[in-house]
Amino acid sequence: QLVQSGAEVKKPGASVKVSCKTSGDTFKNYYVHWVRQAPGQGLEWMGIINPRDGSSSYSQKLRGRVTMTRDTSTSTVYMELSSLKFEDTAIYYCARAVGLDGGNCYTFGCWFDPWGQGTLVTVSS
Amino acid sequence: DIQMTQSPSSLSASVGDRVTITCRASQSISNYVNWYQQKPGQAPKALIYAASSLQSGVPSRFSGSGSGADFTLTISSLQPEDFATYYCQQSYAALTFGGGTKVEIK
Repeated sequence: QLVQSGAEVKKPGASVKVSCKTSGDTFKNYYVHWVRQAPGQGLEWMGIINPRDGSSSYSQKLRGRVTMTRDTSTSTVYMELSSLKFEDTAIYYCARAVGLDGGNCYTFGCWFDPWGQGTLVTVSS
Repeated sequence: DIQMTQSPSSLSASVGDRVTITCRASQSISNYVNWYQQKPGQAPKALIYAASSLQSGVPSRFSGSGSGADFTLTISSLQPEDFATYYCQQSYAALTFGGGTKVEIK
């Protein structure tokens, strides 16, 4: 199970930090991805974090504005997006990446299960 | 990035209908395609992975096929709970999603 933090309202130019509490098994054995969905739109992959060592990789579009971190004491991963724009208004999801054998998976051959419940971030002046 | 083009973008169907959704990749991606179902106000849910493998717990009326660049999700007999939006996703290079297909009640 992945449990995310609650909805946020931010002004343009501000930053937002969304949390995703994982199970111990997910934190120890899997990679966690972030995906966002603008209102009425499709899904956009944002990046990936390895909870074990904190290493991360981001989409080219968001590189420079997004940072993914983790807290080992609470098995929680975080996604922080800075310099917010109106078009960053979206539901943000964390998701566990699973390989074809049900084990961990970085990106190649991965599918997402489960997903967090989503966090709505609204950017409004 | 690899582009995933889904068609149709929406369709209307009746309970009991056979429904087919297609997804075309901008290049060959072997069988690295997954399918998700999303209902309003909910997170996506995995249905099919590796083009044709059914995720545990997903009804057998859902099936996937294809390889290379062309893929299909089929619902053999549409049920009331299947009205939702469906997304394909490729995991061959980086990760990208199709634009979605909304299945509505006729």
